[in-house]
Amino acid sequence: QQQVKQSPQSLIVQKGGIPIINCAYENTAFDYFPWYQQFPGKGPALLIAIRPDVSEKKEGRFTISFNKSAKQFSLHIMDSQPGDSATYFCAGEETSGSRLTFGEGTQLTVNP
Amino acid sequence: IAGITQAPTSQILAAGRRMTLRCTQDMRHNAMYWYRQDLGLGLRLIHYSNTAGTTGKGEVPDGYSVSRANTDDFPLTLASAVPSQTSVYFCASSRYGLAGGANEQFFGPGTRLTVL
Repeated sequence: QQQVKQSPQSLIVQKGGIPIINCAYENTAFDYFPWYQQFPGKGPALLIAIRPDVSEKKEGRFTISFNKSAKQFSLHIMDSQPGDSATYFCAGEETSGSRLTFGEGTQLTVNP
Repeated sequence: IAGITQAPTSQILAAGRRMTLRCTQDMRHNAMYWYRQDLGLGLRLIHYSNTAGTTGKGEVPDGYSVSRANTDDFPLTLASAVPSQTSVYFCASSRYGLAGGANEQFFGPGTRLTVL
């Protein structure tokens, strides 16, 4: 049972493009939604996170858009660069005690 | 500061053999976790420990055991490995446990395990 569904599984864009990765969750008790970035051969690392009381959060070229009523959130990467090529995982957490539940992951390739 | 170290980096193991994956953190974090990563399935929690001396089951605990004798070490043991346990295993830690609010998890570099 996958409580966080992520799409697409893979994504290829040209440098400067704006890749968008989408996630949908089922557990309405989730109140923390982080995105992790993983480079080949490395462990994941926290990229950006959002709480459901805001609809958008920006950190540099990375933006999370959050739609609480639809139970969906997405990651946008502005002016994407080849160095952004990585696997991205969304996740949801019920901070009062449940585990962090990850989506399936999206492998992003940014071509030069 | 090393953060989280895992050993071995990779291992090929015959089915039925016992294997312990090692994980050590130097951040004095209270909580530690073990995940397995499989293509198309993301990261799935195997076991966790909110603090030294306590452990809990995650989403896919069967066939695995853990112990947390001290703050720094959190070994994962496969008592009798099976081919379905072929995966990449990540250890992670966080300052607080799962009930401690939103807190960043720091991941190790992973162990690639192949069970034949």
